Amino acid sequence: AQSVTQLGSHVSVSEGALVLLRCNYSSSVPPYLFWYVQYPNQGLQLLLKYTSAATLVKGINGFEAEFKKSETSFHLTKPSAHMSDAAEYFCAVTTSSNTGKLIFGQGTTLQVKP
Amino acid sequence: EAQVTQNPRYLITVTGKKLTVTCSQNMNHEYMSWYRQDPGLGLRQIYYSMNVEVTDKGDVPEGYKVSRKEKRNFPLILESPSPNQTSLYFCASSPRGPTYEQYFGPGTRLTVT
Repeated sequence: AQSVTQLGSHVSVSEGALVLLRCNYSSSVPPYLFWYVQYPNQGLQLLLKYTSAATLVKGINGFEAEFKKSETSFHLTKPSAHMSDAAEYFCAVTTSSNTGKLIFGQGTTLQVKP
Repeated sequence: EAQVTQNPRYLITVTGKKLTVTCSQNMNHEYMSWYRQDPGLGLRQIYYSMNVEVTDKGDVPEGYKVSRKEKRNFPLILESPSPNQTSLYFCASSPRGPTYEQYFGPGTRLTVT
């Protein structure tokens, strides 16, 4: 079975500062990993996904994530935070086995201070 | 416009009164899924459907039913709602399964008193 842990339910950064949101996963088979973003009063939308093609994955809005198998991590980063990045971020894991399950983490709320 | 729609967006009901939340997608996706979102718990999968012939339980199926009679629709049924089902519900779809990008609906906020 897979699981996801997001470290830190709230992260606060200043505008222009580095954004780092942490995600650790557990999976007995090669995982597919995702980061989704949820803006206030909206559904989720995909930021980026890892499918084993490359360990460093670039997504939309300047975000990227690095898959580290040895650390079972898939942390999300952005070099310079913008006010519009304030949202809730979810890490998710699944596998290519014949199951329809998609497991989400608890979510991290990003606050960006002016 | 490609989208996932949910109705109603907001619903307040009483314990035990059967309700249905509809979900429809216009992207010809095979896979559809329901989640509930609760503070501190993230999104938890209720049911999923790989295609019109295959539907299975997610991690929190108790108290819910689903139906997939046609590809585009995947309604969520609460036959006897209870207050612990007060939550924000999301429907999502993807072309072939959970390894593909999920397209989410706008959410349905349900309150059971």
